[in-house]
Amino acid sequence: DGGITQSPKYLFRKEGQNVTLSCEQNLNHDAMYWYRQDPGQGLRLIYYSQIVNDFQKGDIAEGYSVSREKKESFPLTVTSAQKNPTAFYLCASSISYGGGRETQYFGPGTRLLVL
Amino acid sequence: GEDVEQSLFLSVREGDSSVINCTYTDSSSTYLYWYKQEPGAGLQLLTYIFSNMDMKQDQRLTVLLNKKDKHLSLRIADTQTGDSAIYFCAESHGSSNTGKLIFGQGTTLQVKP
Repeated sequence: DGGITQSPKYLFRKEGQNVTLSCEQNLNHDAMYWYRQDPGQGLRLIYYSQIVNDFQKGDIAEGYSVSREKKESFPLTVTSAQKNPTAFYLCASSISYGGGRETQYFGPGTRLLVL
Repeated sequence: GEDVEQSLFLSVREGDSSVINCTYTDSSSTYLYWYKQEPGAGLQLLTYIFSNMDMKQDQRLTVLLNKKDKHLSLRIADTQTGDSAIYFCAESHGSSNTGKLIFGQGTTLQVKP
């Protein structure tokens, strides 16, 4: 089955710790995205990648970092600089970034909690 | 700037029709989407409409687009308890080669038995 997987489902972070959220897709999509969702709010874009070895900051990139070394994978690291990391994190992918093929498909999400 | 607005909550009885509304500000939107999110889950793409269409129907779902008023609606016929979820509308701007989606804050649909 083609799709997007995220792991882990739940993640706990201690003070001062960096944690990495995994996102993998086997849809052969070029573009991938990370969103943050807080209770009662819509989705806010953290980072996006139009193609492998390329990524750009979204609206709320501070305290986060990403890499895109493989087409299938777009891991997100929540650094200790992110002072309020508790949220639900969603990864998405699309065939391409724009050009009429930007319909995004989402993974199941990772809930990050601070100890 | 770009903005998408939705009402926050809608309650209906099982078997009734539900209508979820969305307004957007950017007239250059190319695609408009409806996503469904069940508790603790990711977003599921329900349907989308291209900006040159007025209506799209897919089984129990009907999407209406009024470009003049920048208004999008999702009608769910014969609403079931399994339809209880948060519904997000979103817009994209494919013609400008921008893949960014702008999401509304979501409408919580409560279906009472």
